Amino acid sequence: NAGVMQNPRHLVRRRGQEARLRCSPMKGHSHVYWYRQLPEEGLKFMVYLQKENIIDESGMPKERFSAEFPKEGPSILRIQQVVRGDSAAYFCASSPLPAGFGGYTFGSGTRLTVV
Amino acid sequence: EDKVVQSPLSLVVHEGDTVTLNCSYEVTNFRSLLWYKQEKKAPTFLFMLTSSGIEKKSGRLSSILDKKELFSILNITATQTGDSAIYLCAVEALDSNYQLIWGAGTKLIIKP
Repeated sequence: NAGVMQNPRHLVRRRGQEARLRCSPMKGHSHVYWYRQLPEEGLKFMVYLQKENIIDESGMPKERFSAEFPKEGPSILRIQQVVRGDSAAYFCASSPLPAGFGGYTFGSGTRLTVV
Repeated sequence: EDKVVQSPLSLVVHEGDTVTLNCSYEVTNFRSLLWYKQEKKAPTFLFMLTSSGIEKKSGRLSSILDKKELFSILNITATQTGDSAIYLCAVEALDSNYQLIWGAGTKLIIKP
């Protein structure tokens, strides 16, 4: 079991470009959570998805950010027209049961740098 | 507003020292408190605490929760350089328990 896989590990984008972050949950986990970590801040919840459904996106900025978790393939966090303030580490976690029951397993994160 | 506050923000000690990391919280409908260790990789789970006064222990690490005073401590004895990491505290609330509320972390550096 490879755990939660995130890629790429590091992503550099110029202002105005699009960033796509991928997360493959642990085998058997169908619940995915995305978090953003800014320097010297804790992880901030962004969005909770199940397969083909967004359960809660209350932590996600209204513009430029979107997330999906298709029936096949990884969950994708997409940031359009990136700005310097989007530079952060983005972590994905998965759980086997709804709402985090059964525990969260985190991926290694994607460090996004906007130049 | 729910919040989790960790202290100190950073700590530098020598190998062999014992450290105590603090996590205080104000959360409506508390369910559990979790400790994670974050190195260059993902946060890795250390402990989940739900009841006051019951110490959880794993090797040189131990943690305890005080639900009356709303805090938890994480103790590391006989520290080693491999303990250098950011230690994160998070709290789950009953009514929104997938939205972990995170502290800013304590950056621990162990000098040889």
